This record gives sequence, structure tokens and C-alpha cells, in this order.
Amino acid sequence: KAGVTQTPRYLIKTRGQQVTLSCSPISGHRSVSWYQQTPGQGLQFLFEYFSETQRNKGNFPGRFSGRQFSNSRSEMNVSTLELGDSALYLCASSTTSGGTNEQFFGPGTRLTVL
Amino acid sequence: AQRVTQPEKLLSVFKGAPVELKCNYSYSGSPELFWYVQYSRQRLQLLLRHISRESIKGFTADLNKGETSFHLKKPFAQEEDSAMYYCALRETGFGNEKLTFGTGTRLTIIP
Repeated sequence: KAGVTQTPRYLIKTRGQQVTLSCSPISGHRSVSWYQQTPGQGLQFLFEYFSETQRNKGNFPGRFSGRQFSNSRSEMNVSTLELGDSALYLCASSTTSGGTNEQFFGPGTRLTVL
Repeated sequence: AQRVTQPEKLLSVFKGAPVELKCNYSYSGSPELFWYVQYSRQRLQLLLRHISRESIKGFTADLNKGETSFHLKKPFAQEEDSAMYYCALRETGFGNEKLTFGTGTRLTIIP
């Protein structure tokens, strides 16, 4: 079974731009969660989608948004980028929502904002 | 606010010595706790969860509600245990079900 894939793996943007990251979950998984990982804050939950609906949301500003498609692939969008948005963005897929079952993580997208 | 604390950022242990990675949590509900691990150049992956009460790769973790702790232990460290370890708490509540991770402990096993 193929694992979780994320594209692109690396991204460099400038302040004020917007960015879209993509995550393809393991086949059959309907839940996709997104996390931001930084050296200072560690892993922080952004939001989760299950069957195309946002089920849970972390404490991030509205500049961070996402969506999920009928094939369970998910995208995360960040608008009006700030320097502080530089981070590794991880997505994780699971068979159920809410972190009950094991989450399978992707390799991450490293975003650098200049 | 719910929180997971891993007090040690770095931990070095000699091969063959016991390992204990500390995790404390604060949560008003009934906690569900997990340990995730990230080996060098690999993805973050689940190591164990408290409800399973199992031993994985020689590691065990017991949930102590009185001390609000979920420490990860192994009696004899092996070099392949070197990795980053994250403790995670599953928070429940309408629209707010998620995993909250600690900041992680980097474990280095000294040969």
C-alpha cells in the first residue's frame, strides 16, 4: 500500500504571496489532518477533513484554510504569507476522524517564506 | 488549556541502560495518550497507545492518572532506539477532536 504523499516537498515564497500544499492519503483513508511543525512550537494541529467536511480545527488564523476532494485528497492554502509561516507542514491520514486510530504521516512540505 | 509536556528536549543514554522518556499532561476529560516516534530520515509513526497496553520494540508506557503522566520506558536501550519521540494527547469535544503533541524528546543511545 502506498503511503501518504505530499507535494511539493519544498517551497520558497515571499511575504504576501499565497501557497497551496497537497496531500494524498493512503487509499481507503477518509481523514486527512494537517499539522505545522516548527522548532519552537513543535507539532501544532491545523485542521482535519473527513469525507470532504472540516471536522476539527486548531487555533490558527483564517489565512490558513483547506479542503478535501471526493477522492480524499486534501489541499491546504495559506494566504498573505508571513515570515512566521515558515515551517514543515505535515499531513496525516487515518481511517477515522478525531485522532482515534493511528495517523499515518506524510514526509512533509518544507515552506520557506522570505 | 490542554497541554502535553515533555520536560527533556535531549536525552542521552548508554546502550544497555534503562530509558525513561517523560510525558505529563493536563486534561479535564478522560485522556487517551499515544507515543509517536520519528527515526532519522523516516516519517513520524505511531509507537504505542495507552489503551492497547502493549509493548512495542521493548517499550512500554503506563498511564498514571494520579500523576497525570504517561512515561515511556525500556529496560535496555539499543542503538536503533535513537530517534525523536513525541507524546500526544487525544482531546475530545464537539468540533475539537484532535491530537495535541508535546514538543518532543530527542533520544540518543551512546554505543
